[in-house]
Amino acid sequence: KQEVTQIPAALSVPEGENLVLNCSFTDSAIYNLQWFRQDPGKGLTSLLLIQSSQREQTSGRLNASLDKSSGRSTLYIAASQPGDSATYLCAVGSGTYKYIFGTGTRLKVLA
Amino acid sequence: NAGVMQNPRHLVRRRGQEARLRCSPMKGHSHVYWYRQLPEEGLKFMVYLQKENIIDESGMPKERFSAEFPKEGPSILRIQQVVRGDSAAYFCASSPLGQGATETQYFGPGTRLLVL
Repeated sequence: KQEVTQIPAALSVPEGENLVLNCSFTDSAIYNLQWFRQDPGKGLTSLLLIQSSQREQTSGRLNASLDKSSGRSTLYIAASQPGDSATYLCAVGSGTYKYIFGTGTRLKVLA
Repeated sequence: NAGVMQNPRHLVRRRGQEARLRCSPMKGHSHVYWYRQLPEEGLKFMVYLQKENIIDESGMPKERFSAEFPKEGPSILRIQQVVRGDSAAYFCASSPLGQGATETQYFGPGTRLLVL
């Protein structure tokens, strides 16, 4: 049974810092992995989608990597800004239809 | 192109009442997924539907919960005789091709259900 864990659960950093969010999963047989952002009371915004054949994806200040063999993904945020404050969710596409979500990392970037 | 729409955004029900949550997928998408997010927990898959068909309902509680996606109109998640433990955010997602987790699922803003 696939399990997804995100560490840390919460993170508070000063503006301008580079930071890394971690996601680990127990079953390496995945279709893809997706990072989402969730703002309080809002829906999910897809940030990056990495297919199982890919090692990383980049979008602006965000870079996500995937290491299937070790069951890990990292989301790197460069030069963090207060507007980056949100909960970041990692979701593993582990079957044909369903994503398995981690419980998220709550990020606060202080001005 | 409007995104996935869900209504209502907030729903308050008393114990024993029925809750109906609606989801309109993105234009051109005919595959809908429902997820539930309990307080302080991650999103959990409930059900996957295509038009007029339930493909996978393995994540849906066996009793009181049902889902449909009719030929015309939005997908409906129905919860009968709600209990306090049903209080959660219910998210709907849609995709164009039905390849599920091999493609991006686009999420709606969610319906926050509060059972008093």
